[in-house]
Amino acid sequence: ETGVTQTPRHLVMGMTNKKSLKCEQHLGHNAMYWYKQSAKKPLELMFVYSLEERVENNSVPSRFSPECPNSSHLFLHLHTLQPEDSALYLCASSDPYNEQFFGPGTRLTVL
Amino acid sequence: QKEVEQNSGPLSVPEGAIASLNCTYSDRGSQSFFWYRQYSGKSPELIMSIYSNGDKEDGRFTAQLNKASQYVSLLIRDSQPSDSATYLCAVRGITGGGNKLTFGTGTQLKVEL
Repeated sequence: ETGVTQTPRHLVMGMTNKKSLKCEQHLGHNAMYWYKQSAKKPLELMFVYSLEERVENNSVPSRFSPECPNSSHLFLHLHTLQPEDSALYLCASSDPYNEQFFGPGTRLTVL
Repeated sequence: QKEVEQNSGPLSVPEGAIASLNCTYSDRGSQSFFWYRQYSGKSPELIMSIYSNGDKEDGRFTAQLNKASQYVSLLIRDSQPSDSATYLCAVRGITGGGNKLTFGTGTQLKVEL
């Protein structure tokens, strides 16, 4: 596989469920990102990992928990989400100070 | 004031015309500027990056940057129906260790036959 991949592509979960989103990059980058995209809103940066260390946490509620076990993999653990958390969740990767490349996204629906 | 502003559109242009997309930003310390294209239901795709004042051309696309006016634009020549998408302007400032991009809400472009 090439580029940035994300699984699952679609996810429907209840408010009491726990689920995880997975992102993998095959570009040799050492920075990875989670973004949230809601309708009519700009892309919102959630978390940034650089060299597997979290360098940015954009005031994201604790019901979202990121994990970066190595420079190629990034997870977003979800628990007790709210309906307003329904959105497209995008993963991206880059070398520091260079262009970011996005994965296909996970369309999340919280019932 | 929004950090990165774009007209949401839709901007309608006839096939073969030049489409002009504009973006302004508030952070004077911004260093790098990017244009992404996003088709409905898809993720953003990088189409242009520009780092210094002036024009940068790549095929039918030209990015223009004026740091003094805090303005960046994207011109699409010979517009095709396949160019119909939302175009996102992104700006990298000096905060967040240089890794943080701030996005505009995007301009929807419609190229009509």
